[in-house]
Amino acid sequence: NAGVTQTPKFRVLKTGQSMTLLCAQDMNHEYMYWYRQDPGMGLRLIHYSVGEGTTAKGEVPDGYNVSRLKKQNFLLGLESAAPSQTSVYFCASSLTESTEAFFGQGTRLTVV
Amino acid sequence: KNQVEQSPQSLIILEGKNCTLQCNYTVSPFSNLRWYKQDTGRGPVSLTIMTFSENTKSNGRYTATLDADTKQSSLHITASQLSDSASYICVVIFDNYGQNFVFGPGTRLSVLP
Repeated sequence: NAGVTQTPKFRVLKTGQSMTLLCAQDMNHEYMYWYRQDPGMGLRLIHYSVGEGTTAKGEVPDGYNVSRLKKQNFLLGLESAAPSQTSVYFCASSLTESTEAFFGQGTRLTVV
Repeated sequence: KNQVEQSPQSLIILEGKNCTLQCNYTVSPFSNLRWYKQDTGRGPVSLTIMTFSENTKSNGRYTATLDADTKQSSLHITASQLSDSASYICVVIFDNYGQNFVFGPGTRLSVLP
């Protein structure tokens, strides 16, 4: 039982490049989330999903897209990376909107 | 606006000492409050979850309190250990479909030998 797994753990991108972050959970959770964490700030919600095939915008969705084609996977895409997207990205999942959320280990992304 | 504030921003204590971290929130309507521990380079891990009707919840050496009237919570750590060095994040959940976690900025605790 691995919980929530994020790949990759580290990535450096050049401005304008694209990439996809993968989040996988093996707990059969309905809800999945993508957050970004910046120094001195709380985690901010980028996008979330309440079930397979559904996605919704969070607090800071601009510049990101997501997909939830399979219940266990939640993908975060950056179509044209910008230096402002340099951050640590966390994926999380929960059974419902108010039960405990389990987090992945994070992806440190640097855009130069 | 739903907000969660935490104090102090950072704290240094000696091993074996106790400490208390504070969390104030303006989230409404309130569902539950959680404390997470985040080790450097890792994702947050849940310590406690408290609903509106709970005043105290313990998890080993961690004890969280909640005053829903004043919208304040505290996390007390007893007999600190070096492994307690981490960021402690207060998270308030409100009743809003889907997008309902409000994270505090965290308190960075350093436990020195």
